[in-house]
Amino acid sequence: KAGVTQTPRYLIKTRGQQVTLSCSPISGHRSVSWYQQTPGQGLQFLFEYFSETQRNKGNFPGRFSGRQFSNSRSEMNVSTLELGDSALYLCASSPRIGTSASEQYFGPGTRLTVT
Amino acid sequence: DQQVKQNSPSLSVQEGRISILNCDYTNSMFDYFLWYKKYPAEGPTFLISISSIKDKNEDGRFTVFLNKSAKHLSLHIVPSQPGDSAVYFCAASRTLNEKLTFGTGTRLTIIP
Repeated sequence: KAGVTQTPRYLIKTRGQQVTLSCSPISGHRSVSWYQQTPGQGLQFLFEYFSETQRNKGNFPGRFSGRQFSNSRSEMNVSTLELGDSALYLCASSPRIGTSASEQYFGPGTRLTVT
Repeated sequence: DQQVKQNSPSLSVQEGRISILNCDYTNSMFDYFLWYKKYPAEGPTFLISISSIKDKNEDGRFTVFLNKSAKHLSLHIVPSQPGDSAVYFCAASRTLNEKLTFGTGTRLTIIP
Protein backbone atom coordinates (compact mmCIF):
# COMPACT_ATOMS: atom_id res chain seq x y z
CA LYS A 1 0.00 0.00 0.00
CA ALA A 2 1.46 3.36 -0.98
CA GLY A 3 2.19 5.80 1.83
CA VAL A 4 1.17 9.40 2.26
CA THR A 5 2.57 11.57 -0.51
CA GLN A 6 3.13 15.29 -0.41
CA THR A 7 3.94 17.63 -3.27
CA PRO A 8 6.06 19.54 -3.80
CA ARG A 9 8.82 18.40 -1.45
CA TYR A 10 10.62 21.73 -1.52
CA LEU A 11 9.37 25.22 -2.26
CA ILE A 12 10.85 28.70 -2.17
CA LYS A 13 8.48 31.66 -2.16
CA THR A 14 8.76 35.39 -1.65
CA ARG A 15 7.10 37.27 1.21
CA GLY A 16 3.60 38.35 0.25
CA GLN A 17 3.02 35.51 -2.20
CA GLN A 18 0.62 32.65 -1.67
CA VAL A 19 1.32 28.92 -1.80
CA THR A 20 -0.66 25.70 -2.17
CA LEU A 21 0.59 22.39 -0.84
CA SER A 22 -0.90 19.04 -1.72
CA CYS A 23 -1.34 15.79 0.21
CA SER A 24 -2.54 12.42 -1.02
CA PRO A 25 -3.50 10.12 1.86
CA ILE A 26 -3.12 6.37 2.05
CA SER A 27 -5.79 4.65 -0.03
CA GLY A 28 -8.91 4.17 2.08
CA HIS A 29 -7.97 6.83 4.62
CA ARG A 30 -10.56 9.57 4.91
CA SER A 31 -8.96 11.81 7.51
CA VAL A 32 -6.16 14.21 6.64
CA SER A 33 -4.43 16.45 9.15
CA TRP A 34 -1.87 19.17 8.59
CA TYR A 35 0.97 20.20 10.91
CA GLN A 36 3.63 22.88 10.85
CA GLN A 37 7.05 21.93 12.18
CA THR A 38 9.55 24.59 13.18
CA PRO A 39 12.74 24.15 15.25
CA GLY A 40 11.51 26.09 18.27
CA GLN A 41 7.87 25.00 18.29
CA GLY A 42 7.91 21.36 17.34
CA LEU A 43 4.85 20.11 15.49
CA GLN A 44 1.84 22.35 15.67
CA PHE A 45 -1.58 21.21 14.54
CA LEU A 46 -3.15 23.26 11.75
CA PHE A 47 -6.39 21.47 10.90
CA GLU A 48 -8.02 18.14 10.18
CA TYR A 49 -10.35 17.27 7.33
CA PHE A 50 -12.68 14.30 7.19
CA SER A 51 -15.15 13.65 4.40
CA GLU A 52 -14.43 17.05 2.86
CA THR A 53 -15.28 18.92 6.07
CA GLN A 54 -12.93 20.62 8.48
CA ARG A 55 -13.40 18.82 11.81
CA ASN A 56 -10.65 20.24 14.02
CA LYS A 57 -8.68 23.44 13.86
CA GLY A 58 -5.53 24.68 15.55
CA ASN A 59 -4.55 28.21 16.55
CA PHE A 60 -3.34 29.61 13.25
CA PRO A 61 -4.42 32.82 11.52
CA GLY A 62 -6.95 32.82 8.72
CA ARG A 63 -4.13 33.07 6.15
CA PHE A 64 -3.85 29.31 6.59
CA SER A 65 -6.69 27.41 4.96
CA GLY A 66 -7.33 24.01 3.54
CA ARG A 67 -9.76 21.83 1.75
CA GLN A 68 -10.37 18.19 1.03
CA PHE A 69 -11.68 16.67 -2.16
CA SER A 70 -14.06 13.76 -2.62
CA ASN A 71 -11.12 11.40 -3.21
CA SER A 72 -9.75 12.45 0.23
CA ARG A 73 -6.81 14.34 -1.27
CA SER A 74 -6.20 17.57 0.58
CA GLU A 75 -4.65 20.93 -0.18
CA MET A 76 -3.37 23.54 2.20
CA ASN A 77 -3.10 27.19 1.19
CA VAL A 78 -1.15 29.97 2.84
CA SER A 79 -1.80 33.49 1.62
CA THR A 80 0.30 36.62 2.11
CA LEU A 81 3.35 34.64 3.12
CA GLU A 82 5.51 35.88 5.98
CA LEU A 83 9.11 34.99 6.78
CA GLY A 84 7.89 33.14 9.87
CA ASP A 85 5.90 30.75 7.68
CA SER A 86 9.15 29.05 6.69
CA ALA A 87 8.74 25.54 8.04
CA LEU A 88 8.25 21.89 7.26
CA TYR A 89 4.57 21.23 6.57
CA LEU A 90 3.52 17.70 7.37
CA CYS A 91 0.38 15.93 6.35
CA ALA A 92 -0.93 12.85 8.13
CA SER A 93 -3.70 10.49 7.14
CA SER A 94 -5.83 8.21 9.24
CA PRO A 95 -8.66 5.79 8.51
CA ARG A 96 -10.84 7.43 11.15
CA ILE A 97 -11.66 10.89 12.35
CA GLY A 98 -9.54 12.13 15.19
CA THR A 99 -5.87 12.84 14.99
CA SER A 100 -4.57 11.16 18.07
CA ALA A 101 -4.99 7.57 17.00
CA SER A 102 -1.84 5.55 16.56
CA GLU A 103 -3.06 4.83 13.06
CA GLN A 104 -1.99 8.30 11.96
CA TYR A 105 0.59 8.05 9.16
CA PHE A 106 2.72 11.01 8.20
CA GLY A 107 4.02 12.02 4.80
CA PRO A 108 7.61 13.23 4.28
CA GLY A 109 6.58 16.87 4.37
CA THR A 110 6.97 19.95 2.19
CA ARG A 111 9.84 22.23 3.12
CA LEU A 112 8.68 25.82 2.53
CA THR A 113 11.21 28.64 2.57
CA VAL A 114 9.95 32.22 2.47
CA THR A 115 12.49 34.85 1.46
CA ASP B 1 1.84 28.37 25.85
CA GLN B 2 3.72 25.10 25.39
CA GLN B 3 1.51 22.48 27.02
CA VAL B 4 3.88 19.64 26.19
CA LYS B 5 7.56 20.25 26.87
CA GLN B 6 10.68 18.35 26.02
CA ASN B 7 13.35 20.26 27.86
CA SER B 8 16.34 18.44 26.38
CA PRO B 9 16.81 19.42 22.75
CA SER B 10 19.51 16.78 22.34
CA LEU B 11 20.87 13.66 23.99
CA SER B 12 23.89 11.47 23.22
CA VAL B 13 24.08 7.88 24.45
CA GLN B 14 26.62 5.12 23.98
CA GLU B 15 25.46 2.15 21.93
CA GLY B 16 24.14 -0.63 24.16
CA ARG B 17 23.32 1.69 27.05
CA ILE B 18 19.89 2.96 28.08
CA SER B 19 18.41 6.09 26.46
CA ILE B 20 15.91 8.01 28.55
CA LEU B 21 13.88 10.74 26.89
CA ASN B 22 11.68 12.95 29.05
CA CYS B 23 8.49 14.86 28.48
CA ASP B 24 6.45 17.10 30.78
CA TYR B 25 2.94 18.39 30.29
CA THR B 26 0.83 21.02 31.97
CA ASN B 27 -2.71 20.13 30.94
CA SER B 28 -4.17 17.74 33.52
CA MET B 29 -6.94 16.88 31.04
CA PHE B 30 -4.51 14.98 28.82
CA ASP B 31 -5.33 11.28 28.95
CA TYR B 32 -3.51 9.78 26.01
CA PHE B 33 0.19 10.04 25.27
CA LEU B 34 2.27 8.98 22.30
CA TRP B 35 5.88 8.95 21.18
CA TYR B 36 6.87 9.49 17.57
CA LYS B 37 10.24 9.04 15.96
CA LYS B 38 11.44 11.13 13.02
CA TYR B 39 14.35 10.57 10.67
CA PRO B 40 15.60 13.41 8.44
CA ALA B 41 13.58 13.89 5.24
CA GLU B 42 10.85 11.57 6.53
CA GLY B 43 7.62 12.14 8.40
CA PRO B 44 7.27 11.09 12.04
CA THR B 45 6.34 7.48 12.66
CA PHE B 46 4.36 6.23 15.63
CA LEU B 47 6.46 4.41 18.20
CA ILE B 48 4.48 3.67 21.34
CA SER B 49 1.53 5.04 23.32
CA ILE B 50 0.09 4.96 26.80
CA SER B 51 -3.26 5.92 28.25
CA SER B 52 -3.71 7.47 31.66
CA ILE B 53 -5.12 4.29 33.17
CA LYS B 54 -1.66 2.73 32.95
CA ASP B 55 1.70 3.79 34.30
CA LYS B 56 3.83 1.66 32.00
CA ASN B 57 3.65 0.25 28.49
CA GLU B 58 6.33 -1.91 26.94
CA ASP B 59 7.03 -2.86 23.34
CA GLY B 60 10.28 -4.66 22.72
CA ARG B 61 13.19 -2.36 23.50
CA PHE B 62 10.85 0.59 24.10
CA THR B 63 9.07 1.32 27.38
CA VAL B 64 7.01 4.38 28.20
CA PHE B 65 6.42 5.39 31.82
CA LEU B 66 3.69 7.78 32.90
CA ASN B 67 3.60 9.65 36.21
CA LYS B 68 0.30 11.48 36.23
CA SER B 69 0.80 13.20 39.57
CA ALA B 70 4.05 14.72 38.28
CA LYS B 71 2.63 15.24 34.78
CA HIS B 72 5.69 13.52 33.40
CA LEU B 73 6.34 10.74 30.95
CA SER B 74 9.52 9.15 29.78
CA LEU B 75 10.63 6.85 27.00
CA HIS B 76 13.28 4.24 27.75
CA ILE B 77 15.18 2.52 24.97
CA VAL B 78 17.20 -0.50 26.03
CA PRO B 79 19.65 -1.37 24.59
CA SER B 80 20.22 1.67 22.38
CA GLN B 81 21.21 0.96 18.79
CA PRO B 82 22.67 3.24 16.09
CA GLY B 83 19.38 3.07 14.16
CA ASP B 84 17.68 4.75 17.12
CA SER B 85 19.43 8.01 16.24
CA ALA B 86 16.52 10.31 15.34
CA VAL B 87 14.36 13.10 16.69
CA TYR B 88 11.76 11.91 19.19
CA PHE B 89 8.52 13.78 19.78
CA CYS B 90 6.10 13.18 22.60
CA ALA B 91 2.47 14.09 22.04
CA ALA B 92 -0.67 14.20 24.13
CA SER B 93 -4.41 14.55 23.74
CA ARG B 94 -7.48 14.61 25.93
CA THR B 95 -9.25 11.85 24.09
CA LEU B 96 -8.60 9.52 21.19
CA ASN B 97 -10.58 11.80 18.91
CA GLU B 98 -8.99 15.11 19.73
CA LYS B 99 -6.04 16.79 18.14
CA LEU B 100 -2.55 15.98 19.29
CA THR B 101 -0.35 18.50 21.06
CA PHE B 102 3.31 17.82 20.35
CA GLY B 103 6.47 18.65 22.22
CA THR B 104 9.41 20.36 20.56
CA GLY B 105 11.40 17.16 20.11
CA THR B 106 14.66 15.67 21.40
CA ARG B 107 17.43 14.71 19.01
CA LEU B 108 18.89 11.39 20.13
CA THR B 109 22.34 10.42 18.89
CA ILE B 110 23.63 6.91 19.57
CA ILE B 111 27.42 6.78 19.64
CA PRO B 112 28.88 3.50 18.29
